[in-house]
Amino acid sequence: GAGVSQTPSNKVTEKGKYVELRCDPISGHTALYWYRQSLGQGPEFLIYFQGTGAADDSGLPNDRFFAVRPEGSVSTLKIQRTERGDSAVYLCASSPRDRGGDTQYFGPGTRLTVL
Amino acid sequence: QKEVEQNSGPLSVPEGAIASLNCTYSDRGSQSFFWYRQYSGKSPELIMFIYSNGDKEDGRFTAQLNKASQYVSLLIRDSQPSDSATYLCAVDNSGYALNFGKGTSLLVTP
Repeated sequence: GAGVSQTPSNKVTEKGKYVELRCDPISGHTALYWYRQSLGQGPEFLIYFQGTGAADDSGLPNDRFFAVRPEGSVSTLKIQRTERGDSAVYLCASSPRDRGGDTQYFGPGTRLTVL
Repeated sequence: QKEVEQNSGPLSVPEGAIASLNCTYSDRGSQSFFWYRQYSGKSPELIMFIYSNGDKEDGRFTAQLNKASQYVSLLIRDSQPSDSATYLCAVDNSGYALNFGKGTSLLVTP
């Protein structure tokens, strides 16, 4: 079966622009997560969805970041007024249960570069 | 601040040897522990998970957990050049969000 997919694979934008990053989880997985990975670091948690609702968005760095999952499947991470410090690989993961403690499967990531 | 610590390496081992990767964590209440492998430019790929104290073996990989010492390790037997990658230790502190270490770079030399 298909794994987690993310689009685009690469995104180059200018400082101040708005970007959207898309994640399509594994079919049937109810939990969805966004992480951000900077060079030389491990992934850093951003937000967790149970179904359609954001169960925990405490990892979002500031109010320029927002994520939605309107139908409980595909999710979009939205970044307003991008800054150079937002440059990183944005990883999406999904897992088969609403409650955590089970395995998260990662997508290939979107490499965001803010010039 | 809940910490997950790993030696960044690089850890260099000859082909066929045992590679030992270590991780410590600060949150004594952590319940689930994961090892991910990440090749350069790729996303993390799950190697193993472990929930209970002791050893868990899967092929050439063995995960070891000691909750009293807040220590988890990954042993790779008969290391191959294709095992060269960054190994990420991840701890589930919350029941959902994974808290990752910075990773240990492993280099297996032919």
